[in-house]
Amino acid sequence: DAGITQSPRHKVTETGTPVTLRCHQTENHRYMYWYRQDPGHGLRLIHYSYGVKDTDKGEVSDGYSVSRSKTEDFLLTLESATSSQTSVYFCAISEASGSGETQYFGPGTRLLVL
Amino acid sequence: GDSVTQMEGPVTLSEEAFLTINCTYTATGYPSLFWYVQYPGEGLQLLLKATKADDKGSNKGFEATYRKETTSFHLEKGSVQVSDSAVYFCALSDPGFGDYKLSFGAGTTVTVRA
Repeated sequence: DAGITQSPRHKVTETGTPVTLRCHQTENHRYMYWYRQDPGHGLRLIHYSYGVKDTDKGEVSDGYSVSRSKTEDFLLTLESATSSQTSVYFCAISEASGSGETQYFGPGTRLLVL
Repeated sequence: GDSVTQMEGPVTLSEEAFLTINCTYTATGYPSLFWYVQYPGEGLQLLLKATKADDKGSNKGFEATYRKETTSFHLEKGSVQVSDSAVYFCALSDPGFGDYKLSFGAGTTVTVRA
């Protein structure tokens, strides 16, 4: 257990509204990631962070923004939600060990945009 | 760019059958390779990993060997149980980029019947 929580766990929202998802970690990991999971696509990287206020885009970043003002929190914002953003969102951290870096995932947030 | 291709599912097996899920990759560097498992309604859990050629990862009776010559990391289990029913994801991370991002395959759904 890498001490990752996500909130909310489920959300239903309407097209055009802003939505913020929160990822919280308790173990001071430097790297954090947001992925979305869709059938037939596996998981795709939205944004990631390599430190406080240091973020970069992933392969599917359009329509999303992120912020990291504290080491433990990484927020994902859908600026104006669309139905194509209906998905399951996973946060992850990267943990170093003797065998290199490994990512561990939070429990996910299921988002439905109507 | 880096990519992962894994065997399409769904795969349905009887208990005690042999399971193989094929995974091949394309990478510019020397990636680390992972198998993650997602049980119904849950997040992703690391199943096993390998970080260099000829390494064998193993866990819970599952094995996968990093084959650089065939760019493959096939997952195998000799005798599956109903509890192995899940979605399995192959993934890679290229440590040369320094950001530890994961590229995932599309996932393979495995159902084991009693």
